[in-house]
Amino acid sequence: GENVEQHPSTLSVQEGDSAVIKCTYSDSASNYFPWYKQELGKGPQLIIDIRSNVGEKKDQRIAVTLNKTAKHFSLHITETQPEDSAVYFCAASNGFQKLVFGTGTRLLVSP
Amino acid sequence: NAGVTQTPKFQVLKTGQSMTLQCAQDMNHEYMSWYRQDPGMGLRLIHYSVGAGITDQGEVPNGYNVSRSTTEDFPLRLLSAAPSQTSVYFCASNGRGGGTEAFFGQGTRLTVV
Repeated sequence: GENVEQHPSTLSVQEGDSAVIKCTYSDSASNYFPWYKQELGKGPQLIIDIRSNVGEKKDQRIAVTLNKTAKHFSLHITETQPEDSAVYFCAASNGFQKLVFGTGTRLLVSP
Repeated sequence: NAGVTQTPKFQVLKTGQSMTLQCAQDMNHEYMSWYRQDPGMGLRLIHYSVGAGITDQGEVPNGYNVSRSTTEDFPLRLLSAAPSQTSVYFCASNGRGGGTEAFFGQGTRLTVV
């Protein structure tokens, strides 16, 4: 089955810096790669996703890149703000339902 | 729209007790899923359903039962709770109504003593 690895487990940046979180997956059949943000005491919330027929997708300060050959995808957050502090999860699936999650990255943005 | 609603938010069980975690969605989504979240392990799929009357196992199904009698509800049953089932449980739904995005509930924090 699918296996998703996520790095780093913790990431500390200064406000205004960029943050990059990387994930690798094992199943070449996976075709959907979402990123979720989880704030303390809440459920995960989708922030951006990408499908396997696209190499990059941007939404304001957030971007995701996908390299199918290397089986890795990354989340890029530019101009970080304190409210970006949260735990971020990557996931992969073949289809949209059976998501396999990475182990999470705790991002801390210091003012 | 309430989205995905989970009850209860917190629960403490004794080993061997049974209980049902409730999940309801009001978005007319076809797909519903249950995940558990443990420290350092991300979220793992327990069971999922592609529609009323249809369920299937995920990655960690042992010790859990589900049923889907209506589109809106997808309860998760623990028949005989074990300390290893101490976790935070999340219900999610997605489908035509929401495209590909999975919407998660607020979670149920379960402690088995």
